[in-house]
Amino acid sequence: ETGVTQTPRHLVMGMTNKKSLKCEQHLGHNAMYWYKQSAKKPLELMFVYNFKEQTENNSVPSRFSPECPNSSHLFLHLHTLQPEDSALYLCASSPQEDQPQHFGDGTRLSIL
Amino acid sequence: GQQLNQSPQSMFIQEGEDVSMNCTSSSIFNTWLWYKQDPGEGPVLLIALYKAGELTSNGRLTAQFGITRKDSFLNISASIPSDVGIYFCAGQTLDSGNTPLVFGKGTRLSVIA
Repeated sequence: ETGVTQTPRHLVMGMTNKKSLKCEQHLGHNAMYWYKQSAKKPLELMFVYNFKEQTENNSVPSRFSPECPNSSHLFLHLHTLQPEDSALYLCASSPQEDQPQHFGDGTRLSIL
Repeated sequence: GQQLNQSPQSMFIQEGEDVSMNCTSSSIFNTWLWYKQDPGEGPVLLIALYKAGELTSNGRLTAQFGITRKDSFLNISASIPSDVGIYFCAGQTLDSGNTPLVFGKGTRLSVIA
């Protein structure tokens, strides 16, 4: 139990579907992150939120849309994804942006 | 952009052996972190290093922050089967605002009982 909970754990969707990934932390952390993990590649940072404000958008395609309604919750809205978007999507949080991050167990996403 | 070279990419060792892996960077980092990822789970923080030359232990794990601030290593002593997993290094620069963590590609460790 890391304190960072991601749902769903697995998601299969078609390219025309719309779905959302959810991340929740009750560690009292102020920064939250979305990463993409593909085979044989380093973790790729997608988005950073600090005190609910987006501070980093790492050139992510607009078919990925983050939302941070409060410091404890982070969403990643997905629409019209491509097969190459199939990956493990990891959420992380940290007390502040310059402190170690704690990861959830990820959502394994498969695009058909 | 910043890149981390992590080696080796994979290791097969006998139970009881010691393990060593390292990360090097072309840039200076202020923070080095080591994570372990088990199958089907997210990375778990093992050790955090904040000062050049710092040597920190966590049980059988020992990590060091290189003097040049461009490298770090992780040692595992007397390996056991549950050490199996992927180990990631990560570095962060804090000189001019907070820059994102940069991750290595990981070292996949297999332990033969």
